[in-house]
Amino acid sequence: DAGITQSPRHKVTETGTPVTLRCHQTENHRYMYWYRQDPGHGLRLIHYSYGVKDTDKGEVSDGYSVSRSKTEDFLLTLESATSSQTSVYFCASRREDEQFFGPGTRLTVL
Amino acid sequence: SQKIEQNSEALNIQEGKTATLTCNYTNYSPAYLQWYRQDPGRGPVFLLLIRENEKEKRKERLKVTFDTTLKQSLFHITASQPADSATYLCAPSRNNAGNMLTFGGGTRLMVKP
Repeated sequence: DAGITQSPRHKVTETGTPVTLRCHQTENHRYMYWYRQDPGHGLRLIHYSYGVKDTDKGEVSDGYSVSRSKTEDFLLTLESATSSQTSVYFCASRREDEQFFGPGTRLTVL
Repeated sequence: SQKIEQNSEALNIQEGKTATLTCNYTNYSPAYLQWYRQDPGRGPVFLLLIRENEKEKRKERLKVTFDTTLKQSLFHITASQPADSATYLCAPSRNNAGNMLTFGGGTRLMVKP
């Protein structure tokens, strides 16, 4: 494992509340990614980061924001959670061409 | 729009046989393609990468082919074992600066003893 952890691992929240998911890596990788995984859609990229304070949008970025103040931490924020954001969220970091994934966060928005 | 297709139906095979999984893509010209394994409740794990100028890549019991004319990659597991049971994801990439991967929906492989 590349030492990637995610917190929390499970979360249940209500529509309209803000939610922040945390990804932490210990490998000093420059690139980090947030994906969501849903049945019938596979893994889809939300946002990624190519360095501290450097981020860009992925395929499904609407309703999400990210921040990276330190190399090891990449935060994903849902400003106002909606039921359509119920999903499993995976964080990854990259070494050369290989991506290393965290264990995932299961988020349920009621 | 670009599309990546993997057989959404589970593939059931007998232990010891060769499993072959297919990844087809359209409206896409990847510079390389990766295969990942995902077990239930866990994140994907990298297995192999094959570049557009490579026809075949091997790693232990795994073999990947990449046909840019057919726009297809085949993933083979020889002498399959029950421990190989998992979902396998293909992920082509255009070798862009962010190394952004687009994943297929995955194929679930079940190896029966």
